[in-house]
Amino acid sequence: AQKVTQAQTEISVVEKEDVTLDCVYETRDTTYYLFWYKQPPSGELVFLIRRNSFDEQNEISGRYSWNFQKSTSSFNFTITASQVVDSAVYFCALSEAVDYGQNFVFGPGTRLSVLP
Amino acid sequence: DSGVTQTPKHLITATGQRVTLRCSPRSGDLSVYWYQQSLDQGLQFLIQYYNGEERAKGNILERFSAQQFPDLHSELNLSSLELGDSALYFCASSIGTSGRGHTQYFGPGTRLTVL
Repeated sequence: AQKVTQAQTEISVVEKEDVTLDCVYETRDTTYYLFWYKQPPSGELVFLIRRNSFDEQNEISGRYSWNFQKSTSSFNFTITASQVVDSAVYFCALSEAVDYGQNFVFGPGTRLSVLP
Repeated sequence: DSGVTQTPKHLITATGQRVTLRCSPRSGDLSVYWYQQSLDQGLQFLIQYYNGEERAKGNILERFSAQQFPDLHSELNLSSLELGDSALYFCASSIGTSGRGHTQYFGPGTRLTVL
């Protein structure tokens, strides 16, 4: 079975610090997809990024960047110059085929608190 | 705003009762997924429907059932409720069916409290 580990349960940083959230996954599939979602205090799950296993290029979107390393089965997420609005729980997820459909296997999440 | 709507936002009921949660997918999406988020189990996949047909089943209890209607909205029915069913229930939608990699867009969730 596929598995996603987010070893950091909670992280606290002061505003403007950089912070990296770790994600390690396990899969036997050669083709797979990884995602990051953000869950702010309001509770909704917000899609951040999708990455397939063939694309190992790192991606940057504003203050957000993602480092995908197949060799270590990791898909880490870095926030540069963090802001209070970045405070949320962040989930890493792995897409797996199930029956005739698909399912996301979510990690346990990392709660990020950005202090002013 | 993801474009996925869920009603009601909050639901408080008693043990042994039955409730129905409703979800409307994003315009153009044919797949609907249901997830349960609880403190001890995290985010757990329950079930997926595509264009009215069940496509994948996860850790869904026999007391729970779902369906997707011709207009593509979906309902999750929870019966014989227990205290442990208290959780946040999410609906998500995506454009595709089988295979992997379709981005799922989540609704705001329904918070169920069983007293």
